[in-house]
Amino acid sequence: EIVLTQSPDFQSVTPKEKVTITCRASQSIGSSLHWYQQKPGQSPKLLIKYASQSFSGVPSRFSGSGSGTDFTLTINGLEAEDAATYYCHQSNALPETFGGGTKVEIK
Amino acid sequence: EVQLVESGGGLVKPGESLRLSCVASGFTFSSYTMNWVRQAPGKGLEWVSLISSSSSHKYYADSVKGRFIISRDNAKNSLFLQMNNLGVEDTAVYYCARPHDYWGQGTLVTVSS
Repeated sequence: EIVLTQSPDFQSVTPKEKVTITCRASQSIGSSLHWYQQKPGQSPKLLIKYASQSFSGVPSRFSGSGSGTDFTLTINGLEAEDAATYYCHQSNALPETFGGGTKVEIK
Repeated sequence: EVQLVESGGGLVKPGESLRLSCVASGFTFSSYTMNWVRQAPGKGLEWVSLISSSSSHKYYADSVKGRFIISRDNAKNSLFLQMNNLGVEDTAVYYCARPHDYWGQGTLVTVSS
């Protein structure tokens, strides 16, 4: 099973700051890495698919990079509505797996 | 607009069964592999099962293998998850998801005596 390790687990950030969340895979997964945002009481919403492909309707302040085992989600200019938990997800091999999540709080 | 609507959750006792459904709209359901993913209260996301577009391939997480059965009816744009011999550890919100973009709103399954 491919283990995805996200860091940090929690981040408290001031609006307009840059946020960087990393996801490390226990083995190479190519670019089969996706990022989701989940707010309390809601289902996960796709932000970035295949490491760096933006999803329709997602604000341009969200971007993704990486390949192989190391991936990054960047939020350039955090807004209050971005308070949420962020998950990475690999679809390169079964079982598909998710990172443990990064909770982003607005200061 | 892509929509996925789950139903069938509820409160059951350990050892009982439940069947979840997911109705899809806004896309050609029969062309897509589909997933079930669950989330225990206050916890992270766990992939449960996958079914190919034609139902020829089905895969399960080790935690549910032998107890859960995934199926679909392409004529009715529907995805199912038959859950047997449920345990308290199966308590979660269950989501159907189209890889790797759209998710339903989820249906809560609570297993408790």
